[in-house]
This record gives sequence, structure tokens and C-alpha cells, in this order.
Amino acid sequence: AQKITQTQPGMFVQEKEAVTLDCTYDTSDPSYGLFWYKQPSSGEMIFLIYQGSYDQQNATEGRYSLNFQKARKSANLVISASQLGDSAMYFCAMRGNTGRRALTFGSGTRLQVQP
Amino acid sequence: DAGVIQSPRHEVTEMGQEVTLRCKPISGHNSLFWYRQTMMRGLELLIYFNNNVPIDDSGMPEDRFSAKMPNASFSTLKIQPSEPRDSAVYFCASSPDRGGRVETQYFGPGTRLLVL
Repeated sequence: AQKITQTQPGMFVQEKEAVTLDCTYDTSDPSYGLFWYKQPSSGEMIFLIYQGSYDQQNATEGRYSLNFQKARKSANLVISASQLGDSAMYFCAMRGNTGRRALTFGSGTRLQVQP
Repeated sequence: DAGVIQSPRHEVTEMGQEVTLRCKPISGHNSLFWYRQTMMRGLELLIYFNNNVPIDDSGMPEDRFSAKMPNASFSTLKIQPSEPRDSAVYFCASSPDRGGRVETQYFGPGTRLLVL
């Protein structure tokens, strides 16, 4: 079974500052992927960043980076230089390479960027 | 490249009516997923197809829900009869699963369903 835990229902950050959104996971799959999606108020699910369980380096995509600590089973999203347009719900998700191939989602964190 | 296409974007219907949601995955993607998002339950898988074959339908709530994928470029999710508790946002997602690597799923814009 797979489980994703996001313990921060809501976060505030000042514009231009960095923010870390927490995510911990549990799985029995030896190979898996971790994902972060952004859901703005318009409702679509936007893929942000991916980390493979065997990747040696932390993933980065522009202002997004994933702080992957495999031993601690954590996959925190770091957003640098926050912008007003970053205000949204953020979901951590995972899927395995065997067995259940669908995404398992966390409950999400609502980020509000303040000017 | 076109992303995942879903229709309709919004649907309002009355209890007891049949509802059909449609999805066109990204060309070349061989896995298709239907998810439902509600405030109470969050995002949950309904059904997953690989190469047009249903692989995991454990999330389909009950016999009122059915899904088909007649070809690689089209899938439907049908609710008959619909009930108010089916009100939710229904997402379709696709990914290019070829084995070996865990691939990213890309989501359509969703269908916002309201059953009165």
C-alpha cells in the first residue's frame, strides 16, 4: 500500500521569499516516483516536478526543487523567490513501478503568497 | 502538442439522469486514468486502463459507474443513474507507460459535475 502525508493544510509566504512544503510517504514498492502538482483556483492539475526513487540528485525545475531524503521517506517541495501566481493548492503524489500504477495523493497544502 | 482533452467542462444534471464524461489522452500515451476529486475524499482513482484494457477498477464506487476505452484515443466514464453524491470534479490523466521507468501523468482540465 502507498500513503502520502502532507501535514500543512495552509502556508503563508511573503513574495520573493522561499517556502518549503512538506511531504512524507510510505510504500512497499522498491521503485517509485514522487511528484508535485499545483492546482490553482481555476481547478486544473499542473505537473511541477518529478523525483525517481533511484535518482542520485534532487530534482530541480526552474524555481522548484525537490528535497528528497529517501531514508526519512520525505520529498519536500521548495519554491524559491515566491510569486503571487504561486498561490494555489499543492499536492504531493507517488506511484510505483509495479503493482498499483495509479497516483496516490496527499491531502494538499494551500499556499498563499502575500505581497 | 495538445494535452489531455476532456468534455464537457461543466455538467449540471438532475438526479436519475445519465451522465457521460469524455476523455482524449495525449497521443502516444498508453495509460489512462480517471480520478475524482471531492472536498471530503480528496483525489482518488476510479479506474486505470493500460493499452485500452482496464487494469484496476477498484475505485469505481458501484455499478452505477462504468468506463470504457474503445481505442487508444478515447475513453468514457458513464454514471447511470446519477445521484447528488456524485457531484465532484472528474479528472482524466494519461502517461506513456512502457515499463521500467515511472512516468509522469498529465491531467486534463477536469469536468465539474453537479447533480441536483
